[in-house]
Order: sequence, then structure tokens, then C-alpha cells
Amino acid sequence: AQKVTQAQTEISVVEKEDVTLDCVYETRDTTYYLFWYKQPPSGELVFLIRRNSFDEQNEISGRYSWNFQKSTSSFNFTITASQVVDSAVYFCALSMRDDKIIFGKGTRLHILP
Amino acid sequence: DSGVTQTPKHLITATGQRVTLRCSPRSGDLSVYWYQQSLDQGLQFLIQYYNGEERAKGNILERFSAQQFPDLHSELNLSSLELGDSALYFCASSVGLAHYNEQFFGPGTRLTVL
Repeated sequence: AQKVTQAQTEISVVEKEDVTLDCVYETRDTTYYLFWYKQPPSGELVFLIRRNSFDEQNEISGRYSWNFQKSTSSFNFTITASQVVDSAVYFCALSMRDDKIIFGKGTRLHILP
Repeated sequence: DSGVTQTPKHLITATGQRVTLRCSPRSGDLSVYWYQQSLDQGLQFLIQYYNGEERAKGNILERFSAQQFPDLHSELNLSSLELGDSALYFCASSVGLAHYNEQFFGPGTRLTVL
């Protein structure tokens, strides 16, 4: 079965706290891609990162960082020193060789001032 | 602004009706993807077109169909509408045909079926 699980439905943190959004995936494919997308209150989805199954290097982009661990089938996303503008729904997604894309249910993140 | 446009923004219709949603991709993008976002099902991939040809199919119902025209704009046709078809429908575009390309999403069309 191919599946993406974002167990955290909703998270609230106070501004400037760090927060980690979890993503666990299942696939039998050895070649696949993982993504994170942000959906702010305006509604449009915004691409954040793509990672292929052969590249387990962690990535940092400003206050955002991603931890990809094949051993645990996880691709977690951390926001450091969170800001109110980070409030959004965040989706993890899995794309496989058959070109289908599966999204997790999303994590709604509230950053409280 | 992603450069992807979708019309209309909102659509209200009745069960049994048929509607057409329209998407114009970013300039230069050849792939168009359609997604449905609902409270029940979450965000679901429906279908992808690349340069006028169907490329990949997801959870698209038989009552739904899509096409991509020579000018690369795409239309999603939804027929025999049911209450459960009420959702936000997104279009996205990317440069290439590969599923791993970065996709740029439009603002969505909110469909309400009464």
C-alpha cells in the first residue's frame, strides 16, 4: 500500500518556538519523491521542498529544515523560531514511478503571537 | 502569484448538473495537473496532461473528464454532479512531464453543489 500519514492534525505554538511536523510514508517503490507544500489562509498551495529517495541528506533553507530518514520512512519538517506568517496547513506528499501523487491529510499549524 | 490562473473562483450549482472548470498554466509550462480538495478526502490527485496528452490518472471519477488544448489551457468537466463533489478544485502546472517536477498551483475553484 502507498500512503502518507501526517499524524498531527493541528499544532499550536507560541511565536519564536521551534516546531516539527511529522510525515511518515509507505511505498514499495525504490524510486520515489517526497514533497512538502504549504497552504496559507489564502488557499494557494506553495511548493517548499522536493527530496528523492536516493538523497538522504538533510536540507536547511533559512528557518526551515527537513530530516529524511529512509530507515523509519519519515520526512519531517522543522520550522525554527516560528513566526505568525508560518501559520498555514502543511502537506507532505509522495510521488512514485506510476506518476501518481499521494498527499497526507495535512497539519494545521497555528503560530500564536 | 504563481502565474497559474483558474476560472471561475466560485461556482454554485445543483445536483445532476454539469460544470466546466478552466485552468491556464504558467507561461512555458507544458504539464497541467488537476486536484480535488475536500474535508472528507483531503487533497487528491485527479489527472495530469502533458502537451495535450493524458499522462497520469489518479482518483478521477468516470463522471469527470479533462482535456488540454493546443494553447495548453485545460478544462475539467464534472457531470451528473452530486453533493459529495462539493470541493476546492486546484489546477497546477509544471515545466516537464515528470512527476517530480515542482508544481505551481492556481488559486482554486470552489464548487458548491446544492
